Amino acid sequence: DTAVSQTPKYLVTQMGNDKSIKCEQNLGHDTMYWYKQDSKKFLKIMFSYNNKELIINETVPNRFSPKSPDKAHLNLHINSLELGDSAVYFCASSNTRGAGTNEKLFFGSGTQLSVL
Amino acid sequence: QKEVEQDPGPLSVPEGAIVSLNCTYSNSAFQYFMWYRQYSRKGPELLMYTYSSGNKEDGRFTAQVDKSSKYISLFIRDSQPSDSATYLCAMSGVTGGGNKLTFGTGTQLKVEL
Repeated sequence: DTAVSQTPKYLVTQMGNDKSIKCEQNLGHDTMYWYKQDSKKFLKIMFSYNNKELIINETVPNRFSPKSPDKAHLNLHINSLELGDSAVYFCASSNTRGAGTNEKLFFGSGTQLSVL
Repeated sequence: QKEVEQDPGPLSVPEGAIVSLNCTYSNSAFQYFMWYRQYSRKGPELLMYTYSSGNKEDGRFTAQVDKSSKYISLFIRDSQPSDSATYLCAMSGVTGGGNKLTFGTGTQLKVEL
């Protein structure tokens, strides 16, 4: 039973297209995240939602729009895709209950996005 | 200068060797220190978690934090080929809703037979 699952695993698309990535967690966590990992393996946070409320929004182009229909789901929609958007996108979740628990992130297996 | 610096490697060691992986950081507000292991084409998984300075041991893995030097380490004893992965250090200074981890760039480790 996968704890954090994201789909699709691979996404190949043309520049200018719009695409979505979906994420679901069955851990009962109340916080979910989107991270971007570039070709040099550098992981950087993009967004975080706590109980469906946006709480972290890093300097990300507004072509990226996260949506959290409930605390178990966090989707990422990307408009007008650009070459520079090619990366691996990871969904993650954690709990805010108890000191120190929010740092323990559980990651999905990633979505490899290739923009041609 | 990045907030967290980590040698990207690759680091290649023979099976059974002791491996030392390190990160330095510049933000003195960091209090929580983690090591994540990432296998190829997989998401990172939490390996070790430490609060503030000190050591923590879990099986073959030992995490050390020296806040005075802003330096953290992960030691792997009796390394195995299954330890071959990228190891990412991560740290944060805030707890509670919406915590933001700052990651190192990862060290690629290969343990050879």
